[in-house]
Amino acid sequence: SQQGEEDPQALSIQEGENATMNCSYKTSINNLQWYRQNSGRGLVHLILIRSNEREKHSGRLRVTLDTSKKSSSLLITASRAADTASYFCATDTGANSKLTFGKGITLSVRP
Amino acid sequence: DTGVSQDPRHKITKRGQNVTFRCDPISEHNRLYWYRQTLGQGPEFLTYFQNEAQLEKSRLLSDRFSAERPKGSFSTLEIQRTEQGDSAMYLCASSFVGAGTGELFFGEGSRLTVL
Repeated sequence: SQQGEEDPQALSIQEGENATMNCSYKTSINNLQWYRQNSGRGLVHLILIRSNEREKHSGRLRVTLDTSKKSSSLLITASRAADTASYFCATDTGANSKLTFGKGITLSVRP
Repeated sequence: DTGVSQDPRHKITKRGQNVTFRCDPISEHNRLYWYRQTLGQGPEFLTYFQNEAQLEKSRLLSDRFSAERPKGSFSTLEIQRTEQGDSAMYLCASSFVGAGTGELFFGEGSRLTVL
């Protein structure tokens, strides 16, 4: 079963714009992570936010976590064509230390 | 550190044949995971090892699937009597686990096509 649900399923923006992706989950978590996947490739870790954190930054990435709403958002600022990829949120519930992934968001950045 | 490597990258087989995938994790990592991903979906957990012990298996892992990690190093995932529904990308990931699950490092995957 997939705990995380990303929203929207697909997003198309112009280069230079910001991209905001949302993730909702169902059960309590230890941490939430975001991954990126280029077509036909493996996943690459972007950022991890722990349950006691509310916001985290890494370069052009900003992730927020609202445990009361069981939701997270990933913001990519000043998007580039190279950001075109699928993005997944993944939750660690701590019960047995495996990550559960959502279905993903397809981001297209037009040059 | 050469990252997580998977072999083969692509496998085409006929229904009923057996296939085996190999994963070499990052050497100092104690956890190794197998996930399966079908088109348009996120990775689905199959199983994971801590060192050589297989700690959890998903219900997705039917008795046709078997995974091993002898000596806590590389791992193999074997699928016996393949079915068309087994067509997917099989992803391996590794991590070093202290308290809780941290970042997973994924390989490039092994894509299986069952004809």
